[in-house]
Amino acid sequence: DVKVTQSSRYLVKRTGEKVFLECVQDMDHENMFWYRQDPGLGLRLIYFSYDVKMKEKGDIPEGYSVSREKKERFSLILESASTNQTSMYLCASSRNAVGYEQYFGPGTRLTVT
Amino acid sequence: AQRVTQPEKLLSVFKGAPVELKCNYSYSGSPELFWYVQYSRQRLQLLLRHISRESIKGFTADLNKGETSFHLKKPFAQEEDSAMYYCALLYGNKLVFGAGTILRVKS
Repeated sequence: DVKVTQSSRYLVKRTGEKVFLECVQDMDHENMFWYRQDPGLGLRLIYFSYDVKMKEKGDIPEGYSVSREKKERFSLILESASTNQTSMYLCASSRNAVGYEQYFGPGTRLTVT
Repeated sequence: AQRVTQPEKLLSVFKGAPVELKCNYSYSGSPELFWYVQYSRQRLQLLLRHISRESIKGFTADLNKGETSFHLKKPFAQEEDSAMYYCALLYGNKLVFGAGTILRVKS
């Protein structure tokens, strides 16, 4: 069974804190993605990675960074959390293959106070 | 620029009624389109993709290049269809998602 796991389901942090969100996939997928999910805005891509140590900015990278040291793990970092980063964060992975299904994690609900 | 538009935030229908969730796209190339669904308390998952021309859980979607649309349809809605539905366009190796439509099926 395909599995994408995220380190926390719920997280509460204070403004200015450094926040780490971790994502692990066990499918040997090349591509991994981080999205924000906000009502009325859908899913917006923050960053993605198509290989170890490779990363590309998505549509809304400001205030975020990422790390991919191993193929199975993709971390999202909020260097200095702000209240406008309160959101649901979804991780996904996919193969470089025709059909291109993305497999999603359960999400992390982050609240910044 | 590539864009996906889902004009309805909420669609409410009665059980047994037909359902059509609208999706329009903006893309200069040959589009590859998908519908993803998120049921309550479950993770987002693929529902169907246009290249497969398949019917999943009674849902179908036809690509209309003239109208740049990929509407999701089901002839008879069921209560278990209540969920958030996202239309998505493949762009390079990324997906561009619409804002989503909440489907509520009332008994």
